[in-house]
Amino acid sequence: RKEVEQDPGPFNVPEGATVAFNCTYSNSASQSFFWYRQDCRKEPKLLMSVYSSGNEDGRFTAQLNRASQYISLLIRDSKLSDSATYLCVVSEDFGNEKLTFGTGTRLTIIP
Amino acid sequence: ETGVTQSPTHLIKTRGQQVTLRCSSQSGHNTVSWYQQALGQGPQFIFQYYREEENGRGNFPPRFSGLQFPNYSSELNVNALELDDSALYLCASSLGLGPRAFFGQGTRLTVV
Repeated sequence: RKEVEQDPGPFNVPEGATVAFNCTYSNSASQSFFWYRQDCRKEPKLLMSVYSSGNEDGRFTAQLNRASQYISLLIRDSKLSDSATYLCVVSEDFGNEKLTFGTGTRLTIIP
Repeated sequence: ETGVTQSPTHLIKTRGQQVTLRCSSQSGHNTVSWYQQALGQGPQFIFQYYREEENGRGNFPPRFSGLQFPNYSSELNVNALELDDSALYLCASSLGLGPRAFFGQGTRLTVV
């Protein structure tokens, strides 16, 4: 079983729609949680950290459910520029920067 | 831009050869981690250097080795290259041992 599991997609979504991604992780000792965005042939870039209380950044909302070991990302009013691969990422502890990535979910916004 | 730079950007090597990839971390950052991203996969942790010492290693064979210099720049060395080593190699830097990482643009290695 993979440590971080995501639906690879692809998700093809019309512009303006709302899209949700989910991710599960297997290590209950995981301490930090993130969503990264990766454009084609580019490096991953931090989109947002994820907290148990949930957090919002503009059109993006992230949620963490520690009991279910489940992380979600919601994108509202999707834009063409949101087309990318979204990587779910967890970190085991605060003393090591080791990040464990999911395989990513590919999103394409259709005009 | 993150301020993390990697060189070269692209590289083609023959199976069995050795390769050295380089990374300059963001100014003030003393931690560098290396990741391998195969096509269609998420990045996989290779190892991390903190203040010139290895601080954690992923599930990679010993022919993957690294180094961090006093200015906190880093090298990734891979010996006896195999076809499966073809991937995007990413360097990430951070200040201290926290999980917040800033990635360089990567080096795309092709082994033929």
